[in-house]
Amino acid sequence: AQSVTQLGSHVSVSEGALVLLRCNYSSSVPPYLFWYVQYPNQGLQLLLKYTTGATLVKGINGFEAEFKKSETSFHLTKPSAHMSDAAEYFCAVLNRRDGNQFYFGTGTSLTVIP
Amino acid sequence: EAGVAQSPRYKIIEKRQSVAFWCNPISGHATLYWYQQILGQGPKLLIQFQNNGVVDDSQLPKDRFSAERLKGVDSTLKIQPAKLEDSAVYLCASSFAGYNEQFFGPGTRLTVL
Repeated sequence: AQSVTQLGSHVSVSEGALVLLRCNYSSSVPPYLFWYVQYPNQGLQLLLKYTTGATLVKGINGFEAEFKKSETSFHLTKPSAHMSDAAEYFCAVLNRRDGNQFYFGTGTSLTVIP
Repeated sequence: EAGVAQSPRYKIIEKRQSVAFWCNPISGHATLYWYQQILGQGPKLLIQFQNNGVVDDSQLPKDRFSAERLKGVDSTLKIQPAKLEDSAVYLCASSFAGYNEQFFGPGTRLTVL
């Protein structure tokens, strides 16, 4: 069975500071990994994804994430936070050998302090 | 390219009433998903369709929830009768195939009083 753990339900950073949102997964096989962002009263929007190949993936809005198989992690980072980054972030896992079912983490709310 | 459309955006009903939500996926997307997102939680998959067939409905409370995807395009999710704990945002998503990224609609916020 799959599971996704997002450490820290709330993260606050100062504008211009590094953003680090943590995601760990459990899977018996290398999964596909995704980060989504959700702004208030909106649906989820894909930030980036890892399927195969290069383990460092770049997404929209300056975000990137690195797949570390040995640590079963897929942490999301951005070098310099912007006020517009304030939102809810969800990590998701897909196991292609498990009926292609998506499992979402519980989310991390990012606050950016001016 | 048009995104995933959902209606209504907001719905307020009393417990024991019925409600239906509609979703129109992105054109050409074979896979359609319905999620329930309770405040402060991640989306929980209710049902997944591949064309007009059900792939996974293991977390759908079948005594009160039903969904259909006639002709493999639009989909409707129904709750009958609603309970207080059904208050949530209901998200519809679609993907080209089951292993691709999902594109989400804006959701329907349901409040059950």
